[in-house]
Amino acid sequence: EPEVTQTPSHQVTQMGQEVILRCVPISNHLYFYWYRQILGQKVEFLVSFYNNEISEKSEIFDDQFSVERPDGSNFTLKIRSTKLEDSAMYFCASTSQGLSGANVLTFGAGSRLTVL
Amino acid sequence: AQSVTQLGSHVSVSEGALVLLRCNYSSSVPPYLFWYVQYPNQGLQLLLKYTTGATLVKGINGFEAEFKKSETSFHLTKPSAHMSDAAEYFCAVSTAGGTSYGKLTFGQGTILTVHP
Repeated sequence: EPEVTQTPSHQVTQMGQEVILRCVPISNHLYFYWYRQILGQKVEFLVSFYNNEISEKSEIFDDQFSVERPDGSNFTLKIRSTKLEDSAMYFCASTSQGLSGANVLTFGAGSRLTVL
Repeated sequence: AQSVTQLGSHVSVSEGALVLLRCNYSSSVPPYLFWYVQYPNQGLQLLLKYTTGATLVKGINGFEAEFKKSETSFHLTKPSAHMSDAAEYFCAVSTAGGTSYGKLTFGQGTILTVHP
């Protein structure tokens, strides 16, 4: 069964460092998403991406965050200068269509980011 | 605005007993409703969804959920728990249309423990 692959599974970084989390969505999917879950809290929407641009973003997704699809297969989340509060599990998700109720998000296993 | 409340952060049942995980939602428009399950070190896996039509929805692994508009609920049930059902379960809501379809609002999750 096709799956969404995320790397790294766990990354530890120092505050202020740049981090890039990588995702390989399912190959025929067109809509891409990042979610995050701070330990003990809800899974939160960060951003959606379609046709090589951000289609929607949450208040959390400030100027420190960026996404791109550099090569047609990878979908990356960059955090420019990490803060302690960025420590969380980050989930990538994709779907083939955004317009149909018959389609669902397929999530990756997540990348755990620890900021020291 | 949408919100989801899962009643009970931890639920413990005996093997063979009924599983009932509660979810209430708030949405200003007709919702799409989902239950996801997360096993340790894995991604969020879709159990079942309600979009339109029949209000009793059957999913994988013997789970089902009923959409009750009057009660704004979407509780998850399984007649007989198995040890393999031990996991964290997330209820989520979305609204129809456009890329907002992928913008899920999650509940805080319920950890299900199954005792022999």
